[in-house]
Amino acid sequence: EAGVAQSPRYKIIEKRQSVAFWCNPISGHATLYWYQQILGQGPKLLIQFQNNGVVDDSQLPKDRFSAERLKGVDSTLKIQPAKLEDSAVYLCASSGGVGQFFGPGTRLTVL
Amino acid sequence: KNQVEQSPQSLIILEGKNCTLQCNYTVSPFSNLRWYKQDTGRGPVSLTIMTFSENTKSNGRYTATLDADTKQSSLHITASQLSDSASYICVVSADVGTYKYIFGTGTRLKVLA
Repeated sequence: EAGVAQSPRYKIIEKRQSVAFWCNPISGHATLYWYQQILGQGPKLLIQFQNNGVVDDSQLPKDRFSAERLKGVDSTLKIQPAKLEDSAVYLCASSGGVGQFFGPGTRLTVL
Repeated sequence: KNQVEQSPQSLIILEGKNCTLQCNYTVSPFSNLRWYKQDTGRGPVSLTIMTFSENTKSNGRYTATLDADTKQSSLHITASQLSDSASYICVVSADVGTYKYIFGTGTRLKVLA
């Protein structure tokens, strides 16, 4: 079965610019997660969707981050405006029950 | 408070040697524990998953153990290879109606020739 797809794989922007990431989960997986992983640290959950509804966005910096999952399939994560501390790998994961499956991640560098 | 602690933080071994990574957790209600391997710049890839009733699970040269009484898990790597150089992350899930995943900070393993 196809895995979790993410794009782009790499992105370099200047601070105060905007950026968007895309995730296509494994077919049939109802739950989708976005994580932020800063170098040397474990992933931090930003937002969790169940179908197209938000289950947990308590750690999402809502003043600059937004995410949506229209139609309960693909999802996009947007940062506007970006700050230097947003430099990280953004991981998307999906789950159809027990266990998560991760995409390859998008490495964001903010200059 | 739900927590997952891993040790050591980093480890350097010679190719061909064995090593063991540790994971201690305080997660309730416990559902399962998964070990991931994460290569630099890549997403985590699942190695093993264990539920409450499982004591050991193998995947090639990787063997995970789980002691649900002491809330400890270990990942043993046999006959290490250069390609084993990566971060190894322990993730414990709690079933609170929906699954909640608690991540350890990982062990960075470096295998030298």
